[in-house]
Amino acid sequence: ETGVTQTPRHLVMGMTNKKSLKCEQHLGHNAMYWYKQSAKKPLELMFVYNFKEQTENNSVPSRFSPECPNSSHLFLHLHTLQPEDSALYLCASSQPGGSSDTQYFGPGTRLTVL
Amino acid sequence: QQQVKQSPQSLIVQKGGISIINCAYENTAFDYFPWYQQFPGKGPALLIAIRPDVSEKKEGRFTISFNKSAKQFSLHIMDSQPGDSATYFCAASAASGGSYIPTFGRGTSLIVHP
Repeated sequence: ETGVTQTPRHLVMGMTNKKSLKCEQHLGHNAMYWYKQSAKKPLELMFVYNFKEQTENNSVPSRFSPECPNSSHLFLHLHTLQPEDSALYLCASSQPGGSSDTQYFGPGTRLTVL
Repeated sequence: QQQVKQSPQSLIVQKGGISIINCAYENTAFDYFPWYQQFPGKGPALLIAIRPDVSEKKEGRFTISFNKSAKQFSLHIMDSQPGDSATYFCAASAASGGSYIPTFGRGTSLIVHP
């Protein structure tokens, strides 16, 4: 595997379910991100982890719970979601500390909440 | 919230034509301006980027024009090809805690007709 991988690619869940999204990066980066992508809206940054420490939480509802056990893996735990949470959830990684941070994105998980 | 305004929302051009996408920003602290390209079923990928110390950057058929005084920048795709059909996102970022976390525009869906 190369780059940034995400599983599952598609997920359908009910509002009472609990599920987790997984992201793995094979680039040796130290920063990982979760974004939400909805139609006709800008990419919304949800969480940032830098060297496994959470450095950003953009007022994300508590029904989204991130976990970063190491610099290569990032999870997004989901519970009691709402239909408006249906979106494409993108994971990205970057190598901070340089003169620019190129974000390397995974293919995303298409989430549908019924 | 800091904003990056992108237009048009959608664009249709004929093969061989020029595609132009415009973005405007507000925060003068932004000092890195990347463009990302996203194909269906894929995550965004860095296409080209510019810093405000230059007014233009060209890579192959893709050119960024930057107007610092107007706080505007644009992507020009010369000799547009059907394979360029994708969604394009402009972004702007500034260093924060050692990282450059981008603020994205809403995206432009480009269709190039053969």
